[in-house]
Amino acid sequence: DIQVTQSPSTLSASVGDRVTITCRASQSVGSWLAWYQQKPGKAPKLLIYEASTLQTVVSSRFSGSGSGTEFTLTISSLQPDDFATYYCQQYNSWTFGQGTRVELK
Amino acid sequence: EVHLVESGGGLVQPGGSLRLSCAASEFTFSRSAMHWVRQAPGKGLQFVSGISLNGEATYYASSVKGRFTISRDNSKNTLYLQMGGLRPEDMGVYYCVRGHSGHLLPHYFDDWGQGTLVTVSS
Repeated sequence: DIQVTQSPSTLSASVGDRVTITCRASQSVGSWLAWYQQKPGKAPKLLIYEASTLQTVVSSRFSGSGSGTEFTLTISSLQPDDFATYYCQQYNSWTFGQGTRVELK
Repeated sequence: EVHLVESGGGLVQPGGSLRLSCAASEFTFSRSAMHWVRQAPGKGLQFVSGISLNGEATYYASSVKGRFTISRDNSKNTLYLQMGGLRPEDMGVYYCVRGHSGHLLPHYFDDWGQGTLVTVSS
């Protein structure tokens, strides 16, 4: 099975900060990587697929990059609505990273 | 807007069985692969199982293989998860998810239900 490792597990930031989350796969998944956002008590929501393609209606302050085994999610200027937990997922066999909680510093 | 409504969760003793259902609407159910993803209390997301559009292909996480069975009834627009040999580590919210493909080829997850809670405890 392909393992996916996300870092950091928690990220403390302020409104307006640029934040970056990293996801590493145990073997190459090409560009088959997605990012999801989850808020407490809610279902996850797709943000990015194919490593860098923004889902419709997702703000352009979100961006994704990478291929093979290393990927990043960047939020260019953190907004109050962005405090949430973020998960990467390799969709060759659908395993998720452990999640990164973005909290207010 | 896609609508996925899970049901069937509840309290079950270790070793027991439970069947989850997911009623789908507002999209062509028979054209979408479907999946179950779970989340233990306070923990991350874990893929459980997937099924192709016609039910001919299925895929399971190693942790549930042999104990869980995924199935679908396209005439009823409903997805199922039959769970047996339940363990405390199976406890959590189970989400019904629509895949961005009809087949079990690499694809991401478009839409999620709100989930149903499964509690495994004596």
